[in-house]
Amino acid sequence: GDSVTQMEGPVTLSEEAFLTINCTYTATGYPSLFWYVQYPGEGLQLLLKATKADDKGSNKGFEATYRKETTSFHLEKGSVQVSDSAVYFCALSDIQGGSEKLVFGKGMKLTVNP
Amino acid sequence: DSGVTQTPKHLITATGQRVTLRCSPRSGDLSVYWYQQSLDQGLQFLIQYYNGEERAKGNILERFSAQQFPDLHSELNLSSLELGDSALYFCASSAGRAGGLQETQYFGPGTRLLVL
Repeated sequence: GDSVTQMEGPVTLSEEAFLTINCTYTATGYPSLFWYVQYPGEGLQLLLKATKADDKGSNKGFEATYRKETTSFHLEKGSVQVSDSAVYFCALSDIQGGSEKLVFGKGMKLTVNP
Repeated sequence: DSGVTQTPKHLITATGQRVTLRCSPRSGDLSVYWYQQSLDQGLQFLIQYYNGEERAKGNILERFSAQQFPDLHSELNLSSLELGDSALYFCASSAGRAGGLQETQYFGPGTRLLVL
């Protein structure tokens, strides 16, 4: 079945450092790709998404580009802040039999120190 | 705040017991999804309901069941609980205009279940 593989961390960075979180996927069709973020004690929030190849999703300074040739959707941010400390999940949408479910990677915990 | 509410926030129970988790979707959303987040399995899709009907099933155990009521709230019932069922259970909702396809899912804060 479809699957997502992402860096698991945990990762600790200093404020203003560059962030990359790698994500690759395996899918039989043409899934939509997502990054969700989970702040401490909260549920998941959609950070950004891309629905087709070469689409770039962006939000709050984060970016990810849907790369079909490398089956990747790496998340980047040029300068992280303490408030970016959270767990980041890469996910794809798996549509089968007219219904859809999200398939998640294992998540990566990011801590940003001042 | 996503607009999705879940109760209770925390639940502690014993093995063999039965619990019910409740989810209220965002106003107007027709699709409800249940996910389980555990340390060893990560975040896994359990089941989806669309406008009261079961739409998709994931890795849901036979001891677990769910339903969506006419007012669109949903309940996840977990029975004959085992230690391994301890996890964070999330509910998500989407508008459902396309039956849930290609729609953003909005997640609730989760219910943390601890089975002792």
